[in-house]
Amino acid sequence: EAGVVQSPRYKIIEKKQPVAFWCNPISGHNTLYWYLQNLGQGPELLIRYENEEAVDDSQLPKDRFSAERLKGVDSTLKIQPAELGDSAVYLCASSLGDSDEQFFGPGTRLTVL
Amino acid sequence: GQNIDQPTEMTATEGAIVQINCTYQTSGFNGLFWYQQHAGEAPTFLSYNVLDGLEEKGRFSSFLSRSKGYSYLLLKELQMKDSASYLCAVRGGGRILTGGGNKLTFGTGTQLKVEL
Repeated sequence: EAGVVQSPRYKIIEKKQPVAFWCNPISGHNTLYWYLQNLGQGPELLIRYENEEAVDDSQLPKDRFSAERLKGVDSTLKIQPAELGDSAVYLCASSLGDSDEQFFGPGTRLTVL
Repeated sequence: GQNIDQPTEMTATEGAIVQINCTYQTSGFNGLFWYQQHAGEAPTFLSYNVLDGLEEKGRFSSFLSRSKGYSYLLLKELQMKDSASYLCAVRGGGRILTGGGNKLTFGTGTQLKVEL
Protein backbone atom coordinates (compact mmCIF):
# COMPACT_ATOMS: atom_id res chain seq x y z
CA GLU A 1 0.00 0.00 0.00
CA ALA A 2 1.35 3.42 -0.93
CA GLY A 3 2.16 5.80 1.87
CA VAL A 4 1.61 9.54 1.99
CA VAL A 5 2.92 11.10 -1.20
CA GLN A 6 4.25 14.64 -1.39
CA SER A 7 5.64 16.71 -4.21
CA PRO A 8 7.92 18.31 -4.94
CA ARG A 9 10.58 16.88 -2.62
CA TYR A 10 12.71 19.98 -2.92
CA LYS A 11 11.92 23.55 -3.93
CA ILE A 12 14.19 26.59 -4.17
CA ILE A 13 12.63 29.98 -4.79
CA GLU A 14 13.45 33.63 -4.34
CA LYS A 15 11.71 35.63 -1.64
CA LYS A 16 8.39 37.21 -2.57
CA GLN A 17 7.67 34.40 -5.03
CA PRO A 18 4.68 32.08 -4.59
CA VAL A 19 5.09 28.35 -3.95
CA ALA A 20 2.71 25.40 -3.63
CA PHE A 21 3.07 21.94 -2.13
CA TRP A 22 0.93 18.94 -2.92
CA CYS A 23 -0.06 15.98 -0.75
CA ASN A 24 -1.86 12.73 -1.51
CA PRO A 25 -2.82 10.94 1.74
CA ILE A 26 -3.15 7.23 2.31
CA SER A 27 -6.33 5.94 0.68
CA GLY A 28 -9.27 6.01 3.05
CA HIS A 29 -7.69 8.41 5.52
CA ASN A 30 -10.18 11.13 6.37
CA THR A 31 -7.84 13.31 8.41
CA LEU A 32 -5.00 15.22 6.78
CA TYR A 33 -2.40 17.41 8.46
CA TRP A 34 0.16 19.92 7.29
CA TYR A 35 3.18 20.45 9.56
CA LEU A 36 6.18 22.74 9.37
CA GLN A 37 9.53 21.41 10.63
CA ASN A 38 12.54 23.65 11.16
CA LEU A 39 16.02 22.16 11.42
CA GLY A 40 16.60 20.59 14.81
CA GLN A 41 12.98 21.03 15.83
CA GLY A 42 9.90 18.84 15.98
CA PRO A 43 7.04 19.24 13.52
CA GLU A 44 4.55 22.03 14.27
CA LEU A 45 0.95 21.72 13.13
CA LEU A 46 -0.22 24.27 10.58
CA ILE A 47 -3.65 22.93 9.69
CA ARG A 48 -5.80 19.82 10.06
CA TYR A 49 -8.57 18.67 7.74
CA GLU A 50 -11.43 16.31 8.45
CA ASN A 51 -12.46 15.31 4.91
CA GLU A 52 -12.68 18.66 3.09
CA GLU A 53 -13.23 20.78 6.20
CA ALA A 54 -10.39 22.65 7.90
CA VAL A 55 -11.15 21.95 11.56
CA ASP A 56 -7.97 23.38 13.15
CA ASP A 57 -6.13 26.17 11.33
CA SER A 58 -5.27 28.21 14.39
CA GLN A 59 -1.51 27.91 13.72
CA LEU A 60 -1.68 28.82 10.02
CA PRO A 61 -0.32 32.32 9.23
CA LYS A 62 -3.30 33.33 7.15
CA ASP A 63 -1.77 36.50 5.76
CA ARG A 64 0.46 34.49 3.43
CA PHE A 65 -0.43 30.82 3.84
CA SER A 66 -3.48 29.08 2.43
CA ALA A 67 -4.53 25.47 2.06
CA GLU A 68 -7.30 23.52 0.43
CA ARG A 69 -8.61 19.98 0.24
CA LEU A 70 -11.44 20.40 -2.22
CA LYS A 71 -12.60 16.79 -2.68
CA GLY A 72 -11.51 15.54 0.71
CA VAL A 73 -8.54 13.61 -0.70
CA ASP A 74 -5.53 15.52 -2.08
CA SER A 75 -4.45 18.78 -0.50
CA THR A 76 -2.34 21.76 -1.48
CA LEU A 77 -0.54 24.22 0.77
CA LYS A 78 0.40 27.58 -0.70
CA ILE A 79 2.64 30.40 0.42
CA GLN A 80 2.32 33.77 -1.26
CA PRO A 81 4.59 35.64 -1.02
CA ALA A 82 7.36 33.52 0.48
CA GLU A 83 9.76 35.03 3.02
CA LEU A 84 13.27 33.98 4.02
CA GLY A 85 11.95 32.61 7.32
CA ASP A 86 9.68 30.19 5.50
CA SER A 87 12.66 27.97 4.65
CA ALA A 88 11.82 24.64 6.33
CA VAL A 89 10.49 21.17 5.64
CA TYR A 90 6.74 21.00 5.07
CA LEU A 91 5.35 17.63 6.14
CA CYS A 92 1.98 16.18 5.26
CA ALA A 93 0.45 13.43 7.39
CA SER A 94 -2.80 11.48 7.33
CA SER A 95 -4.79 9.26 9.65
CA LEU A 96 -8.07 7.38 9.59
CA GLY A 97 -9.50 9.75 12.17
CA ASP A 98 -8.06 12.45 14.37
CA SER A 99 -7.52 10.01 17.27
CA ASP A 100 -5.62 7.47 15.16
CA GLU A 101 -1.92 7.03 14.37
CA GLN A 102 -0.57 9.61 11.95
CA PHE A 103 1.47 8.53 8.94
CA PHE A 104 3.88 11.11 7.55
CA GLY A 105 5.00 11.81 4.02
CA PRO A 106 8.66 12.47 3.14
CA GLY A 107 8.14 16.23 3.19
CA THR A 108 9.01 19.10 0.87
CA ARG A 109 12.21 20.93 1.71
CA LEU A 110 11.72 24.60 0.86
CA THR A 111 14.63 27.00 0.53
CA VAL A 112 13.84 30.69 0.13
CA LEU A 113 16.75 32.79 -1.15
CA GLY B 1 -0.88 24.67 25.80
CA GLN B 2 1.91 22.12 25.91
CA ASN B 3 5.54 22.21 27.01
CA ILE B 4 7.68 19.19 26.13
CA ASP B 5 11.30 18.67 27.14
CA GLN B 6 13.73 16.02 25.93
CA PRO B 7 17.53 15.95 25.70
CA THR B 8 18.99 17.39 22.51
CA GLU B 9 21.62 14.72 21.90
CA MET B 10 22.68 11.31 23.20
CA THR B 11 25.45 8.91 22.26
CA ALA B 12 25.47 5.18 22.90
CA THR B 13 27.40 2.09 21.88
CA GLU B 14 26.24 -0.60 19.50
CA GLY B 15 24.65 -3.48 21.43
CA ALA B 16 23.97 -1.36 24.50
CA ILE B 17 20.71 -0.05 25.99
CA VAL B 18 19.71 3.62 25.92
CA GLN B 19 16.85 5.46 27.62
CA ILE B 20 15.52 8.70 26.16
CA ASN B 21 13.47 10.75 28.60
CA CYS B 22 10.62 13.13 27.91
CA THR B 23 8.83 15.39 30.38
CA TYR B 24 5.76 17.39 29.60
CA GLN B 25 3.39 19.94 31.06
CA THR B 26 -0.01 20.06 29.44
CA SER B 27 -3.43 21.59 29.83
CA GLY B 28 -4.96 18.41 28.46
CA PHE B 29 -3.62 14.89 27.90
CA ASN B 30 -4.88 12.26 25.49
CA GLY B 31 -1.85 10.08 24.89
CA LEU B 32 1.89 10.22 24.26
CA PHE B 33 3.65 9.09 21.09
CA TRP B 34 7.24 8.34 20.18
CA TYR B 35 8.38 8.75 16.59
CA GLN B 36 11.71 7.96 14.92
CA GLN B 37 13.03 10.26 12.22
CA HIS B 38 16.13 9.58 10.13
CA ALA B 39 17.79 12.60 8.56
CA GLY B 40 15.86 13.81 5.52
CA GLU B 41 13.06 11.31 6.04
CA ALA B 42 9.53 11.27 7.43
CA PRO B 43 8.85 10.59 11.11
CA THR B 44 7.73 7.00 11.63
CA PHE B 45 5.56 5.78 14.50
CA LEU B 46 7.26 3.77 17.26
CA SER B 47 4.91 3.63 20.24
CA TYR B 48 1.82 5.01 21.93
CA ASN B 49 0.99 5.24 25.66
CA VAL B 50 -2.24 6.54 27.12
CA LEU B 51 -2.27 4.63 30.42
CA ASP B 52 0.52 4.46 33.00
CA GLY B 53 3.02 1.68 32.58
CA LEU B 54 5.33 0.02 30.12
CA GLU B 55 4.52 -0.89 26.51
CA GLU B 56 6.98 -3.29 24.89
CA LYS B 57 7.42 -3.82 21.18
CA GLY B 58 10.48 -5.84 20.22
CA ARG B 59 13.67 -3.90 20.94
CA PHE B 60 11.67 -0.78 21.79
CA SER B 61 9.73 -0.08 25.00
CA SER B 62 7.96 3.06 26.15
CA PHE B 63 6.92 4.02 29.66
CA LEU B 64 4.42 6.60 30.85
CA SER B 65 3.66 8.19 34.22
CA ARG B 66 0.79 10.65 33.83
CA SER B 67 1.03 11.91 37.42
CA LYS B 68 4.68 12.85 36.87
CA GLY B 69 4.27 14.10 33.30
CA TYR B 70 7.06 11.74 32.31
CA SER B 71 7.79 9.20 29.62
CA TYR B 72 10.83 7.35 28.38
CA LEU B 73 11.73 5.37 25.30
CA LEU B 74 14.03 2.40 25.90
CA LEU B 75 16.04 0.98 23.02
CA LYS B 76 17.75 -2.37 23.57
CA GLU B 77 20.49 -4.13 21.59
CA LEU B 78 21.32 -0.92 19.78
CA GLN B 79 22.17 -1.12 16.11
CA MET B 80 23.90 1.44 13.93
CA LYS B 81 20.65 1.96 12.03
CA ASP B 82 19.06 3.25 15.26
CA SER B 83 21.03 6.48 14.82
CA ALA B 84 18.20 8.96 14.29
CA SER B 85 16.16 11.67 15.97
CA TYR B 86 13.53 10.43 18.46
CA LEU B 87 10.52 12.68 18.83
CA CYS B 88 8.24 12.71 21.87
CA ALA B 89 4.74 13.98 21.06
CA VAL B 90 1.79 14.65 23.33
CA ARG B 91 -1.80 14.58 22.12
CA GLY B 92 -4.38 16.97 23.53
CA GLY B 93 -4.18 20.41 25.00
CA GLY B 94 -5.28 22.22 21.89
CA ARG B 95 -8.27 24.53 21.88
CA ILE B 96 -11.25 22.20 21.77
CA LEU B 97 -13.54 24.89 20.37
CA THR B 98 -11.27 25.21 17.31
CA GLY B 99 -11.00 21.45 16.84
CA GLY B 100 -7.66 21.06 18.61
CA GLY B 101 -8.65 18.52 21.25
CA ASN B 102 -6.54 15.79 19.66
CA LYS B 103 -3.74 18.08 18.51
CA LEU B 104 -0.29 16.44 18.49
CA THR B 105 2.50 18.62 19.93
CA PHE B 106 6.06 17.48 19.32
CA GLY B 107 9.19 17.99 21.36
CA THR B 108 12.35 19.16 19.64
CA GLY B 109 13.63 15.60 19.30
CA THR B 110 16.65 13.75 20.73
CA GLN B 111 19.42 13.07 18.23
CA LEU B 112 20.79 9.61 19.04
CA LYS B 113 24.18 8.59 17.70
CA VAL B 114 25.10 4.92 17.92
CA GLU B 115 28.83 4.25 17.80
CA LEU B 116 30.88 1.09 17.40
